Amino acid sequence: AQSVTQLDSQVPVFEEAPVELRCNYSSSVSVYLFWYVQYPNQGLQLLLKYLSGSTLVKGINGFEAEFNKSQTSFHLRKPSVHISDTAEYFCAVRPTSGTYKYIFGTGTRLKVLA
Amino acid sequence: ETGVTQSPTHLIKTRGQQVTLRCSSQSGHNTVSWYQQALGQGPQFIFQYYREEENGRGNFPPRFSGLQFPNYSSELNVNALELDDSALYLCASSLWGGGSEQYFGPGTRLTVT
Repeated sequence: AQSVTQLDSQVPVFEEAPVELRCNYSSSVSVYLFWYVQYPNQGLQLLLKYLSGSTLVKGINGFEAEFNKSQTSFHLRKPSVHISDTAEYFCAVRPTSGTYKYIFGTGTRLKVLA
Repeated sequence: ETGVTQSPTHLIKTRGQQVTLRCSSQSGHNTVSWYQQALGQGPQFIFQYYREEENGRGNFPPRFSGLQFPNYSSELNVNALELDDSALYLCASSLWGGGSEQYFGPGTRLTVT
């Protein structure tokens, strides 16, 4: 079984400041890792994904994440946030084989302050 | 290329009723998954369909059922609605295999009164 923990339910940050959203996971099998963003009243949009290879993954909108296998973490970072980054961010894992059963964390609400 | 679409956008039902939600997959995608997202929570996997057959199910009772059609569109049916079924229902389509990502629709907001 897999589980995903997003320790921070809310993260307030001032515009142009850096931000890190934390994600830890647990799994008995090999997994792929994902970060999704959800704007109000919308579906989920993929920010980035880790399948294999380089542990530093770059995504859309200037976001990046680093996979750390020993710490079972996949933290999301952005060096300088904008007001438009205000949204809910979800970390998810999926086994590398079998059903496309994504396991999502409970989400982190990023609020960018002017 | 059209994205994933869902209908209706919003729906209000009474406890005990039945509801059908619809999803049109992104062009070329042969796999569809359904998720329930309660307020303030992450999406919870309901089930997945591939080649018109259920291929994996989350921890949801049998009154949650689905269909996938030859054109890869899909339906989610929920019988005997309960108040706790109130949620955003998300459909996601993808290609079967590998690290193929899922593309999500905008969701259907179901309110059960």
